[in-house]
Amino acid sequence: AQSVTQLDSQVPVFEEAPVELRCNYSSSVSVYLFWYVQYPNQGLQLLLKYLSGSTLVESINGFEAEFNKSQTSFHLRKPSVHISDTAEYFCAVSGGPSQGNLIFGKGTKLSVKP
Amino acid sequence: EPEVTQTPSHQVTQMGQEVILRCVPISNHLYFYWYRQILGQKVEFLVSFYNNEISEKSEIFDDQFSVERPDGSNFTLKIRSTKLEDSAMYFCASSELGIAGHGYTFGSGTRLTVV
Repeated sequence: AQSVTQLDSQVPVFEEAPVELRCNYSSSVSVYLFWYVQYPNQGLQLLLKYLSGSTLVESINGFEAEFNKSQTSFHLRKPSVHISDTAEYFCAVSGGPSQGNLIFGKGTKLSVKP
Repeated sequence: EPEVTQTPSHQVTQMGQEVILRCVPISNHLYFYWYRQILGQKVEFLVSFYNNEISEKSEIFDDQFSVERPDGSNFTLKIRSTKLEDSAMYFCASSELGIAGHGYTFGSGTRLTVV
């Protein structure tokens, strides 16, 4: 069975500072990995995903995540955050090409302060 | 950009009552899902639906739950006799290909409070 652990429930950070949101997973099979973001009063939006190939994946708004198989991690990073990045971030895993459902972590609330 | 629409955004119901949560998936999507998030806990998979039948369900999705696509556009989740522990945010999602790797489109959720 797969599981996802997000170690930090809340991360406060000042604007323009770097941030890392941690995600570890456990799985006995190959996985696909995802980060979803939820802005206040909105649905879950796909931020980025790792399916195969390059272990470093990037989003259009400056976030990146690196798949580390040996450490079973998929941490999300941004070198300089904006106030508008304030949201809840969810790491998720699926069990591979034929799997339709996602297994989520508890989420990390990123709070960017001026 | 196409959206998944969920109604209502908030619902308060008394314990033991039936509730129906409604979702309008993206029109060309064929795979539909319900997830829930109890406050402070993980987002959990409930059920997936394809071709007018359940394709997969979790152990949470017991006999109190049912899903339906009554009219070709709506996708509903019914809880037959609500319990306090059903209080949660319920997310609907739809997918064109039914493969998680291609991503879902989620709705903004219905917050259900059972009192």
